[in-house]
Amino acid sequence: EPEVTQTPSHQVTQMGQEVILRCVPISNHLYFYWYRQILGQKVEFLVSFYNNEISEKSEIFDDQFSVERPDGSNFTLKIRSTKLEDSAMYFCASSLGGGAGDTQYFGPGTRLTVL
Amino acid sequence: GENVEQHPSTLSVQEGDSAVIKCTYSDSASNYFPWYKQELGKRPQLIIDIRSNVGEKKDQRIAVTLNKTAKHFSLHITETQPEDSAVYFCAALYSSASKIIFGSGTRLSIRP
Repeated sequence: EPEVTQTPSHQVTQMGQEVILRCVPISNHLYFYWYRQILGQKVEFLVSFYNNEISEKSEIFDDQFSVERPDGSNFTLKIRSTKLEDSAMYFCASSLGGGAGDTQYFGPGTRLTVL
Repeated sequence: GENVEQHPSTLSVQEGDSAVIKCTYSDSASNYFPWYKQELGKRPQLIIDIRSNVGEKKDQRIAVTLNKTAKHFSLHITETQPEDSAVYFCAALYSSASKIIFGSGTRLSIRP
């Protein structure tokens, strides 16, 4: 069964550094998402992406964040200048469509630790 | 605003008993309600979902009910087993943006 994959599984960085988290969505899916989960808290929506542009973003997704689909398979989340409070698990997800009939499948996550 | 309330935050049941988790949502336009199970350090795994044209759905020991008028939905797990121990999240899809809004989670513990 196809799965969403993410790399790296764990990223440690210094505050102020840039990080890029990578995701390979399921190959025929058209909608892509990033969510984050601070340790012990709920999963929070960051951004949705369709047709090479952002569909929706949350208030968490400020100017320090950007997303890109650089080629036909990867979907990346960049944090330009990391802060301590960016430490969290980041989940990528993808779905075939964007409506109620379309399940979002989550990747295994990247644990980001900002020191 | 977009909000999903979930309770209880923790739930401990005897193995073999039933567990019920309840959620409410704020946006009457929501039409898809997935439930995710998350084990420690792992991704949320979809265990069951329900769409707004259905009032109840069952899959073996798991069932979900939806009351659109009251804007609440529930997860029922019967004959609980040790492997059911995990954090469970309810969620609602806001289809205008295709985004899933998660509840705050319920930590379910099954006592042997």
